[in-house]
Amino acid sequence: NAGVTQTPKFRVLKTGQSMTLLCAQDMNHEYMYWYRQDPGMGLRLIHYSVGEGTTAKGEVPDGYNVSRLKKQNFLLGLESAAPSQTSVYFCASSYFHQREPSQYFGPGTRLLVL
Amino acid sequence: AQTVTQSQPEMSVQEAETVTLSCTYDTSESDYYLFWYKQPPSRQMILVIRQEAYKQQNATENRFSVNFQKAAKSFSLKISDSQLGDAAMYFCAYRSLTSGTYKYIFGTGTRLKVLA
Repeated sequence: NAGVTQTPKFRVLKTGQSMTLLCAQDMNHEYMYWYRQDPGMGLRLIHYSVGEGTTAKGEVPDGYNVSRLKKQNFLLGLESAAPSQTSVYFCASSYFHQREPSQYFGPGTRLLVL
Repeated sequence: AQTVTQSQPEMSVQEAETVTLSCTYDTSESDYYLFWYKQPPSRQMILVIRQEAYKQQNATENRFSVNFQKAAKSFSLKISDSQLGDAAMYFCAYRSLTSGTYKYIFGTGTRLKVLA
């Protein structure tokens, strides 16, 4: 049981390049989330998904796109990376809240955009 | 909208001593969960403890306990017998149990230093 995994762990991009971050969970969670963490700002929600095939915008969605084609995977895409997207990205997942409310996190992806 | 506030950016504690981290929140809801997460230098977010709002009894997990004051909207974390491994960022988080809501609200974190 690996929990929540993220790929890659670290990446350097040049401005304008694109990339996809992969999140996978093996806990059969319905909900999945992408956050970014910047110094002094805690965790900010980028996008989230409440089930396979559904996604929704969070607090800071601009410049990102997501897809959830399979229940266990949640992809975060950057179409044209900008230096402002330098951050640590966390994926998380949880059950439908009435079943078990806690959220579980992946190890994070550190992204540097030059 | 709900908010979570951690007013202590940084705290220090001597090894083996007790420290309390503060968290306040604002909500008009009656059913919700509160969480404390620990983020050590490895960056992994680790769930430390959680509290159900409708339970008056404070949650406890080994050396970690909370002081949940629902009327005051306060949710502090007490770490007893502090250890060097407790040094980390600690985040307070809120989750509504209202049907149709899926989001967690996080505070900005408190960095805990443990002094040997």
